[in-house]
Amino acid sequence: DARVTQTPRHKVTEMGQEVTMRCQPILGHNTVFWYRQTMMQGLELLAYFRNRAPLDDSGMPKDRFSAEMPDATLATLKIQPSEPRDSAVYFCASGLGTSGGLSYNEQFFGPGTRLTVL
Amino acid sequence: DQQVKQNSPSLSVQEGRISILNCDYTNSMFDYFLWYKKYPAEGPTFLISISSIKDKNEDGRFTVFLNKSAKHLSLHIVPSQPGDSAVYFCAASDNNDMRFGAGTRLTVKP
Repeated sequence: DARVTQTPRHKVTEMGQEVTMRCQPILGHNTVFWYRQTMMQGLELLAYFRNRAPLDDSGMPKDRFSAEMPDATLATLKIQPSEPRDSAVYFCASGLGTSGGLSYNEQFFGPGTRLTVL
Repeated sequence: DQQVKQNSPSLSVQEGRISILNCDYTNSMFDYFLWYKKYPAEGPTFLISISSIKDKNEDGRFTVFLNKSAKHLSLHIVPSQPGDSAVYFCAASDNNDMRFGAGTRLTVKP
């Protein structure tokens, strides 16, 4: 039963602390997405990777957020320093992409990491 | 900058009746549209999609309609079942971007 896994599922931290969220995409998927869900904005695309290379991270606040794929089985999203406004649910999704950008393929979402920054 | 809007935050329908969820978009470059369903404490799951070259796509009880001139799409669920109760997100993409709406919470009453 292939699925996207995310750790941790919940994280409570204090303002100023570093937060690292991890994602294991479905084996064989070559595209990984990071989203943030807030009540006001719905689901926002933060960044996505194709074959481990970042294709677009324009949705991400660059001064404090960073996303990487150290290898094909791990994607990370890091916030340093964290702020209360970063409190949200962060979703990772993976899919199979065939073109240079976003492709016409469904994305499979992980269960999310609920982040609370106090 | 809300390029994809779901103006109804919630919808309640009776079991067996039709559920119609609506979505509007502003970017005419979007050429692929998707609906996702989300249960509490889970990630969204893909439901149905439609390419901009079509105006209708049907899959069982779910049908998505696309009106390009109005930049509007809708999801019809017929007949609605209590298990359909969830938050529904519409999404729109072009080659470089994917945008989601804020979601509509559907409640199907037995």
